[in-house]
Amino acid sequence: GENVEQHPSTLSVQEGDSAVIKCTYSDSASNYFPWYKQELGKRPQLIIDIRSNVGEKKDQRIAVTLNKTAKHFSLHITETQPEDSAVYFCAAPRNQGGKLIFGQGTELSVKP
Amino acid sequence: DTEVTQTPKHLVMGMTNKKSLKCEQHMGHRAMYWYKQKAKKPPELMFVYSYEKLSINESVPSRFSPECPNSSLLNLHLHALQPEDSALYLCASSLTPGGNQPQHFGDGTRLSIL
Repeated sequence: GENVEQHPSTLSVQEGDSAVIKCTYSDSASNYFPWYKQELGKRPQLIIDIRSNVGEKKDQRIAVTLNKTAKHFSLHITETQPEDSAVYFCAAPRNQGGKLIFGQGTELSVKP
Repeated sequence: DTEVTQTPKHLVMGMTNKKSLKCEQHMGHRAMYWYKQKAKKPPELMFVYSYEKLSINESVPSRFSPECPNSSLLNLHLHALQPEDSALYLCASSLTPGGNQPQHFGDGTRLSIL
């Protein structure tokens, strides 16, 4: 079955710096990779996703890159702001059924 | 609007109580999910409903009983819970089942078992 590993588990950056979070997956058939942001006490919120037919997708300060050969995908946040502080989860689908396999999460702290 | 509504927001119950969590979406989504989440951990899938039928049960104890009365509603009936069941319970929905569609989460019910 699918296994998703996420690194780092914690990340601290200065405001204005870039942040990168990386996930690796095991199932080469996986074709959809979402990223969720969860602020303290709030719901996981889908911030960006990518499908396996593209290598990169951008939305303002957020981008996701996908390397199908190496089976990894990364979240890039540029010009970080304190409101970017949250726990970020990557995910990939299990081969069968409706299950998303989540990474263990990265706690991002942006210091002003 | 991508909105999943969950009630109640908070619930405190004793181990002998019976209560229900409710989830509603009006986006026409045909897959609905229950997740359990502990602090700073990823959501753990409990159940999946596809077209109002239970399609996945992740070996959840029988003290949790899901129900899908119609395509917009999802309930989770709770009975004889244990202290370790205290967690945030999240409902989510997606347009279709299969794991390759965006899942939209509700705000969750924070459950405390005394």
